[in-house]
Amino acid sequence: DAKTTQPPSMDCAEGRAANLPCNHSTISGNEYVYWYRQIHSQGPQYIIHGLKNNETNEMASLIITEDRKSSTLILPHATLRDTAVYYCIVNAGNNRKLIWGLGTSLAVNP
Amino acid sequence: GAGVSQSPSNKVTEKGKDVELRCDPISGHTALYWYRQSLGQGLEFLIYFQGNSAPDKSGLPSDRFSAERTGGSVSTLTIQRTQQEDSAVYLCASSLIPGQEGGKLFFGSGTQLSVL
Repeated sequence: DAKTTQPPSMDCAEGRAANLPCNHSTISGNEYVYWYRQIHSQGPQYIIHGLKNNETNEMASLIITEDRKSSTLILPHATLRDTAVYYCIVNAGNNRKLIWGLGTSLAVNP
Repeated sequence: GAGVSQSPSNKVTEKGKDVELRCDPISGHTALYWYRQSLGQGLEFLIYFQGNSAPDKSGLPSDRFSAERTGGSVSTLTIQRTQQEDSAVYLCASSLIPGQEGGKLFFGSGTQLSVL
């Protein structure tokens, strides 16, 4: 599976948009981009995934560049409850195991 | 159940004892995973079950670790002769297979294992 690169930490003001980047320059054509987040002391929670088109759901938006080498997770109006570690993962979907990095620790400040 | 259930939520044991951790996946999910997470670290893959196929055990750190999945549902992770370095949160997840939904994992709340 392709590896991903994320900044170790980010800050965001409450009510503002949080834009979390992820580089996946070696992604294969059949690999999807998945985003998860992990709030302290809980298991990771699925947020969103996409292949090449931008995606939006009730939690977030996912913007994937045309060359698919990078993506951005957007939390449009961050709240204090969005403080968590965010993981970007690429996988073909028929996975045997997902490779998890250290993610981005997002701090939403009042 | 509505989500992935793990038990116990916390387990404190003495070095050298055996422990069993249980995972009850979402009904209908054919894939089941075990990960562990040490403090401040990412998730470390342990083992993967998919239907009736042979499990992928490539992540198990030693032969003290084993897991089984009975009837394609409940799974038990067993650690024999526990060591202090086994202390971690053990996470179970399940997913639908195949296709893109296979990468959409649903996690339990984990078991915090502390080996004294």
